[in-house]
Amino acid sequence: GAVVSQHPSWVICKSGTSVKIECRSLDFQATTMFWYRQFPKQSLMLMATSNEGSKATYEQGVEKDKFLINHASLTLSTLTVTSAHPEDSSFYICSALVGGHRQPQHFGDGTRLSIL
Amino acid sequence: GDSVTQMEGPVTLSEEAFLTINCTYTATGYPSLFWYVQYPGEGLQLLLKATKADDKGSNKGFEATYRKETTSFHLEKGSVQVSDSAVYFCALSELAGNKLTFGGGTRVLVKP
Repeated sequence: GAVVSQHPSWVICKSGTSVKIECRSLDFQATTMFWYRQFPKQSLMLMATSNEGSKATYEQGVEKDKFLINHASLTLSTLTVTSAHPEDSSFYICSALVGGHRQPQHFGDGTRLSIL
Repeated sequence: GDSVTQMEGPVTLSEEAFLTINCTYTATGYPSLFWYVQYPGEGLQLLLKATKADDKGSNKGFEATYRKETTSFHLEKGSVQVSDSAVYFCALSELAGNKLTFGGGTRVLVKP
């Protein structure tokens, strides 16, 4: 149980295009979803917290107009990287939470984004 | 603010060796503690958790005990396998915002 599906797993695109990443909780309804960014050999950096039907809460230093988050339902959140540039290349990981802070977050397998 | 500190890697071991990864934390409240494992090119998988003092989390031969007095949550395994090669993250979660605060990760390499 508690499976989170993230799609696509790998995307390569040209500079200036927008890329959408989907995060779905397959067998549960998520209270909250989170988006992280991970640089090579580094830890995860929280980008934003997303609740269904409300605006995402972005961490300090994360551009909300650059990284658009939509949380349309209790099982789906999307991250759109708008007008992507090479510096946006990274590994993006989503997670989903049902319940409070004593429950674990369940992670997707990540999306490797490469901007040429 | 909250923080998690874990030993830097890489940690290189031979198969069947004993593994310890130290993790200490600072938190303003009473956090829940987690260990996650990340295999190459993948997301994170929950390894184990503990939600109150003296709780011991265990899974797949790994163990960690929530030590409030020393603010620690060290991960141990008695006999590692090559398949345990991965990056291990210690993390805490507090009531406010349900966010996870991660340590820097420890890369473990087990050689046959």
